[in-house]
Amino acid sequence: DVKVTQSSRYLVKRTGEKVFLECVQDMDHENMFWYRQDPGLGLRLIYFSYDVKMKEKGDIPEGYSVSREKKERFSLILESASTNQTSMYLCASSRPWTGGSYEQYFGPGTRLTVT
Amino acid sequence: SQQGEEDPQALSIQEGENATMNCSYKTSINNLQWYRQNSGRGLVHLILIRSNEREKHSGRLRVTLDTSKKSSSLLITASRAADTASYFCATDKSGTYKYIFGTGTRLKVLA
Repeated sequence: DVKVTQSSRYLVKRTGEKVFLECVQDMDHENMFWYRQDPGLGLRLIYFSYDVKMKEKGDIPEGYSVSREKKERFSLILESASTNQTSMYLCASSRPWTGGSYEQYFGPGTRLTVT
Repeated sequence: SQQGEEDPQALSIQEGENATMNCSYKTSINNLQWYRQNSGRGLVHLILIRSNEREKHSGRLRVTLDTSKKSSSLLITASRAADTASYFCATDKSGTYKYIFGTGTRLKVLA
């Protein structure tokens, strides 16, 4: 059974803290994604990684960075958390993009609250 | 702006009825996918339809795609209480790796 796990289901942090969100997949997928989900806005792509140490900015990368040192692990970093980063964060993985046809496997999400 | 927009935003039906939700998009696509999200959880892939396909079935799910109208519909037949969830369409943009998710349709199936 394929699996994407995220380090925490719920997280509460203070403004200005550095926050690490971890994601691990066991499917040997090359592609990994970080999204945030907010009511009325759907899912928005923060960062994408297509290989170890490779990353590309998504639609809303400001205030975030990522790290992919190993194929199975993709970390999202909030350098200095702010209240407008309170959100649900979803990690996903997929096979390489060949011909544009792949499904994404999602983790359960981390609900982050920044106070 | 969002590539995929679902309609309606919310839908409430009785168990056993069919549920139809629609997705519209703006640019050319390679394929379109539908996902389900149970409350507070991650998304689960339901079905993928390629741009050269018009209709696809999977169990109680039927998806249609009309590329001339840039729209897709998801039909769930004989709905069950367990189908209560949010449903999202995701469209890729031709030539890119990114999928754009809509804001979703919240389906409630009443027992």
